[in-house]
Amino acid sequence: DAMVIQNPRYQVTQFGKPVTLSCSQTLNHNVMYWYQQKSSQAPKLLFHYYDKDFNNEADTPDNFQSRRPNTSFCFLDIRSPGLGDAAMYLCATSRGGSGDTLDTDTQYFGPGTRLTVL
Amino acid sequence: QQQVKQSPQSLIVQKGGISIINCAYENTAFDYFPWYQQFPGKGPALLIAIRPDVSEKKEGRFTISFNKSAKQFSLHIMDSQPGDSATYFCAASSMVAYKYIFGTGTRLKVLA
Repeated sequence: DAMVIQNPRYQVTQFGKPVTLSCSQTLNHNVMYWYQQKSSQAPKLLFHYYDKDFNNEADTPDNFQSRRPNTSFCFLDIRSPGLGDAAMYLCATSRGGSGDTLDTDTQYFGPGTRLTVL
Repeated sequence: QQQVKQSPQSLIVQKGGISIINCAYENTAFDYFPWYQQFPGKGPALLIAIRPDVSEKKEGRFTISFNKSAKQFSLHIMDSQPGDSATYFCAASSMVAYKYIFGTGTRLKVLA
């Protein structure tokens, strides 16, 4: 059963045309993350939510925004996509909270959305 | 101090051989060290993870060796198979940060 679901799997947009990517989870995890991954590179964290608390990475461009309306869903909005924003966008979740079990910190990734900018 | 250095960048191993990937970190606050496997066009999938209170963890053909004093950890894939051909990422995090610092990745190719 899919635990972290991303839609769509492939998204094509035009230069400057806003796009929204979605992520949902069935794990009831507290933390949700958005990563950008370009070819042959490690995933780069854009931001994460701990419950409703939003945490932006210092080097994330203002062009990228996120919303988490409830525990299960999180959205990535790219307000004016540029050619350099073409990438795989990965959503991940983790349980968070206190405790020293491995599961507390483990991040579970979705299949990703491949964004193409024309 | 937040970096995780991963090597080698790429690795070619014969079927049945042992694949070894190494990572090193500086931040002693890190307390969780996972390894992820990623196939092209897919999201990373957790392989195995360890906390610094143990020096080794084994799950099937995959073993993490952890050296706390040297601040290094490594992934060993025993009896490597062509289906193991993928990119492997190490990562490190601290419980309070809820964020991973990823290594740069190792592209493994196992020859049939």
